Amino acid sequence: DTAVSQTPKYLVTQMGNDKSIKCEQNLGHDTMYWYKQDSKKFLKIMFSYNNKELIINETVPNRFSPKSPDKAHLNLHINSLELGDSAVYFCASSQFSGRPGGEQYFGPGTRLTVT
Amino acid sequence: DAKTTQPTSMDCAEGRAANLPCNHSTISGNEYVYWYRQIHSQGPQYIIHGLKNNETNEMASLIITEDRKSSTLILPHATLRDTAVYYCMHTLGGGADGLTFGKGTHLIIQP
Repeated sequence: DTAVSQTPKYLVTQMGNDKSIKCEQNLGHDTMYWYKQDSKKFLKIMFSYNNKELIINETVPNRFSPKSPDKAHLNLHINSLELGDSAVYFCASSQFSGRPGGEQYFGPGTRLTVT
Repeated sequence: DAKTTQPTSMDCAEGRAANLPCNHSTISGNEYVYWYRQIHSQGPQYIIHGLKNNETNEMASLIITEDRKSSTLILPHATLRDTAVYYCMHTLGGGADGLTFGKGTHLIIQP
């Protein structure tokens, strides 16, 4: 069974379109994240949700809107896509234990290409 | 910005131990050292973490210096499947903090 799954795996779209990426985890974790990995392979945190509440928003343009309908899901909606949004987007989850030591589990990634 | 320093790349012969160093001189007293790796085109994979003491699990061993300013990840018997980019970071962990990935070390296992 896949622990953290993302759909779609590949997404090719034109500038100006709106698209969504879905993420689901079956690990029972209460914290989920979105990361972006650009063409230079730098991996950067975008958002973090804990118990469906937004915890981290790392100065991401407001065209990006995460939505967490429940603890097991964290979706990413992107409006008015731009060329610079092309990247691989990774979802991750962890268990917030209230103390240091929780490791994160990553999904397989969604490769977004904006033309 | 990444707070750690790692060599850009390293080679290791298959079957030998791979020792990956990391400098984290700005680590604070309650931060853990975490190691992840990313095999080509896959999501990052958690390897191990530690605070002060050396740690070992089924994947690797982590040696942390007494002053905690550096650490070494040891893959005891490297295989070709261990070829990946290895990331070292320090974080409180366990909370909702995202991880700050640096450039990592590209470890290439040679047959």
